Formats: sequence, structure tokens, C-alpha cells
Amino acid sequence: GAVVSQHPSWVICKSGTSVKIECRSLDFQATTMFWYRQFPKQSLMLMATSNEGSKATYEQGVEKDKFLINHASLTLSTLTVTSAHPEDSSFYICSAPDARTGGNYGYTFGSGTRLTVV
Amino acid sequence: AQTVTQSQPEMSVQEAETVTLSCTYDTSESDYYLFWYKQPPSRQMILVIRQEAYKQQNATENRFSVNFQKAAKSFSLKISDSQLGDAAMYFCAYNNNDMRFGAGTRLTVKP
Repeated sequence: GAVVSQHPSWVICKSGTSVKIECRSLDFQATTMFWYRQFPKQSLMLMATSNEGSKATYEQGVEKDKFLINHASLTLSTLTVTSAHPEDSSFYICSAPDARTGGNYGYTFGSGTRLTVV
Repeated sequence: AQTVTQSQPEMSVQEAETVTLSCTYDTSESDYYLFWYKQPPSRQMILVIRQEAYKQQNATENRFSVNFQKAAKSFSLKISDSQLGDAAMYFCAYNNNDMRFGAGTRLTVKP
């Protein structure tokens, strides 16, 4: 089945630095990738939608200058947390619909990245 | 905007028994898809079951079934013959171009 590989699985960074999270679709083309944020014991909140070859669409309240999204190819989307602060610490998950079926059969999720900013 | 509501933060079931998790949603669309996802402690999201809004027949996947009431905008998940491995967070999700999730229900299975 469709697989989305997400790296790193966990990262600790110092306040003020930037962190890049990568998501790759391994056996299908992901023209669209969704990025979610999940706080402990809470739901997944959609942050932004990335589209290959065009600018990402951000949800209301998400700082586009802090959470830079790039979807450079049909198999790779990246989320860069710039000038990270402790409040950015969270679990970040990417997901993609299989381009062959759209999102109608559900999305394939990456394994998530636990970011801790110290 | 579409919203998904799960009113049960926690549920508990005895092993081998049946449990039903509730979900309601709000939308003005007529065509959409509904899902139940399971998130175990590993936090990997696992698709449990899906339902197309245009289908009246309730979806079934082995021990998992749904009760889809389109007019009431209700989409509950029934787990039969509960197993210890069913213990996890369960999220109801609505999809129409992007996927939105409910707050989740933590299911505990007692041996």
C-alpha cells in the first residue's frame, strides 16, 4: 500500500534555530500533502496544505513565516519551523492522499515528528 | 467550515464486549467522506473504516462497523468482540478536499 516516510521521528533543537521535517511518498505521487500539528492528548489540527509547484495554503492563525512549507516534487514536501521557540514543541504529522484515488479512500500518514525546543 | 464533534473523551469496554463511539459533524455539503482512524501509543494513524456519504449502506470491516445517519449528521463506530489491541485513541474525520478531525476518544479495553 501507499507509504509516507517522515523524518526525523524526533528532534531536539535550541530556541532560535530552525528545524526541517521531510515527508516523502515512497510508492505514489503526492501532488498534495497536508501538515498537521498534534498537542499531547489532543486532536490533529490542520496547519497547511502544500501543493506541488505552488504556494502552500495555510489555515487561519498559522504563521506562514514561521512554518515554511515547500513541495518541490511529486514525492517530497518539507516543513521548516523557523526561529523555533518552546511553544513550537509539538508532534507534527504529514499526510497525503494517493493521487490515484484522491482523498476518498483516506489519507496515508507519516509516522510523525516529535519536536522539542529547549 | 466543517466541524467534527466527538463527545466522549474516554470510553471503556470489557474484552470481548461491544462498544460504540459517537461522532457528529456539521457540513453544508452533500458529497463527502467520513473516516474513523485509530492512533495507538506509537502515534501512527491507522485507517479503521470509511464511509461515502452518497451510500446509504453502512460500512463494515470485520469487527468494525458504522452507523451512518446522514440526515442527523451522525457517524458512530461500533467495535464488536473488543480485543486488547483495540485500545487506542480513535478519531472521527470528515473529508471534502481536506481532512478534519474530531477531538478523539480514548478507548480502554479491560481484560
